[in-house]
Formats: sequence, C-alpha cells, structure tokens
Amino acid sequence: GAVVSQHPSWVICKSGTSVKIECRSLDFQATTMFWYRQFPKQSLMLMATSNEGSKATYEQGVEKDKFLINHASLTLSTLTVTSAHPEDSSFYICSGAHQGDIQYFGAGTRLSVL
Amino acid sequence: GENVEQHPSTLSVQEGDSAVIKCTYSDSASNYFPWYKQELGKRPQLIIDIRSNVGEKKDQRIAVTLNKTAKHFSLHITETQPEDSAVYFCAAIPNQGGKLIFGQGTELSVKP
Repeated sequence: GAVVSQHPSWVICKSGTSVKIECRSLDFQATTMFWYRQFPKQSLMLMATSNEGSKATYEQGVEKDKFLINHASLTLSTLTVTSAHPEDSSFYICSGAHQGDIQYFGAGTRLSVL
Repeated sequence: GENVEQHPSTLSVQEGDSAVIKCTYSDSASNYFPWYKQELGKRPQLIIDIRSNVGEKKDQRIAVTLNKTAKHFSLHITETQPEDSAVYFCAAIPNQGGKLIFGQGTELSVKP
C-alpha cells in the first residue's frame, strides 16, 4: 500500500511554544491530506482537510489560527500547533488520499504540552 | 452531515470464535465504507473496504457486508486469533474523495 511518513513521532514542549508536525506521502501524490486528532480511548476526529496549493478547510470548532496547516506540495503537508497548551496534548495523525477514496495514515505524533 | 454509529464499544471473544462489529450511517449518499484496525499508539491500518455497489466482500478471515437499504454495514472476523486484539473503526465517506467520518471504535479482545 501507499506510504505516509509523519514526523516527529513524539514531542514534548513547554506551554506557549509552537510545534510543527510534518506529513509526507512517499510513493504517491496526495492531492488531499487530512489531519486528525485522537484523545485516549476515543475515535479519530477530523480537524481539517488540506488540498495542495489552497487553504485548508477546518471542521467546526477547530481554531484555524491555532492549528496552521500548509500543503505546499503534492507530497508534503504540515500542521503547526501555535502557542500550545496542556489541553492540546493529544495524538495527531495525518492521512493522504490515494486513488480517490482510500486514505493512508501516518504513524501519528504524540504531543505532550507541559 | 454524515453520522456513523458503531457497536459494541468493547467485545471479548475466545480464540477461534467469530467477532462481529456493526455500524450504521445516516447519509444515504455515502458510497465508500472502510474498516481500520488500530493497535495501541499506532496508526490505523486499512483492513478491508466496500463500496456501495457491492453487498459483501471477503478477504481470508475478514468479511464486510453492506445493507444500503438499512444503512448498515458490518465487519466479520472468523477464527479469531490473539493478534486480532485491537481497536477497530468503521468509517464512511459521503462523496468521492471526501472526508472520512469514523465510528466510535470497538475494542476487541481475543482471549487465548
């Protein structure tokens, strides 16, 4: 199957700092990438949909100024959590859409904000 | 918008038994239904999917059935093994290339 690489896998940061997470499609061109957040024992909640070269579409309740998404190329999308706070601690996962509907997921980034 | 309900939230079976997880969706326009397996701290892995023009699909010990009229789809795992233990998520996509709407997840435990 298609491979999506996500980095870093784990990050610990101080409250008030910003963290950038990268998501790369290694062997396919992902015209659309998705960013999810998953709290412990819960399902994946879509945060935003990112199309290459255009602004991301955010889900209701997700602050676009806090979660900055960039999708500058067909193989790279980034999520920046700005001014992170302890309540932003979560598991963030990206996915790339391949052949229409099928989404392949990155390995996820566990963010811990102290 | 689309809403996906998944049951049960937890399921415990003996090794060798079958496991069935059920999902319902609300948007009759949904046309793609994948199932993902997620082990603790890992990425969701696509294990099987079905499109709206098909009623059943099977891949070795895993099968998925779709009832479009009732807006139900189910995952069936036969001859379960301890390594099948994980959280399973169903999902639906309302339109081509659109966003995945996930069910709440089912934590499957297969006891040896």
